[in-house]
Amino acid sequence: DIQMTQSPSTLAASVGDRLTITCRASQSISNWLAWYQQKPGKAPKLLIYKASNLETGVPPRFSGSGSGTEFTLTISSLQPDDFASYYCQQYYTLWTFGQGTKVEIK
Amino acid sequence: QLQESGPGLVRPSESLSLTCNVSGGSINSSTYYWGWIRQSPGKGLEWIGSIYHSGRVYYTPSLKSRLTISMDMSENRVSLKLNSVTAADTGFYYCARQGHGSGSDKWGQGILVTVSS
Repeated sequence: DIQMTQSPSTLAASVGDRLTITCRASQSISNWLAWYQQKPGKAPKLLIYKASNLETGVPPRFSGSGSGTEFTLTISSLQPDDFASYYCQQYYTLWTFGQGTKVEIK
Repeated sequence: QLQESGPGLVRPSESLSLTCNVSGGSINSSTYYWGWIRQSPGKGLEWIGSIYHSGRVYYTPSLKSRLTISMDMSENRVSLKLNSVTAADTGFYYCARQGHGSGSDKWGQGILVTVSS
């Protein structure tokens, strides 16, 4: 099984901050990685696919990078709507989610 | 659109059965897998299984012995059956459309299933 490890698990930030969330795979997954945003009581929303491709309609302040085993999600300037939980997911072999990162207001 | 349906309460040791009705596109498409993801209260997302239009199924190893995912092309829906449930199976269950190489771009709203006597 491929394990996905996200860090940090919680992040306190302010509007306007630049944020980086890291996701590590237990083995190489090439660039078969997606990032999702989830707000309380809602289904996850796809932000990034194939590590760095922005899903249609997602603001360009979101970006993804990485390949192999290390990946990052960056929010260039945090907006009030961005306080949520974020998950990475590999789909190189089956599908596995990271444990999530909760972005809270500082 | 994807819409989950099923009972909100299931007794321990019984079976949990859910349906995902898909509208606006056919599940008989080579472009997508159709997956189930669950989330225990206050916890993270867990992929539990997926099915391809060919009928090939993929299950997470920890649930493989209790889980069956199937599809009904005529009704354009995907179903999940989880046997011998316990309280640990309580949570929100989501169905999602999973593209080849493009992540899960469409999700149902989710359904809360509680396992309790």
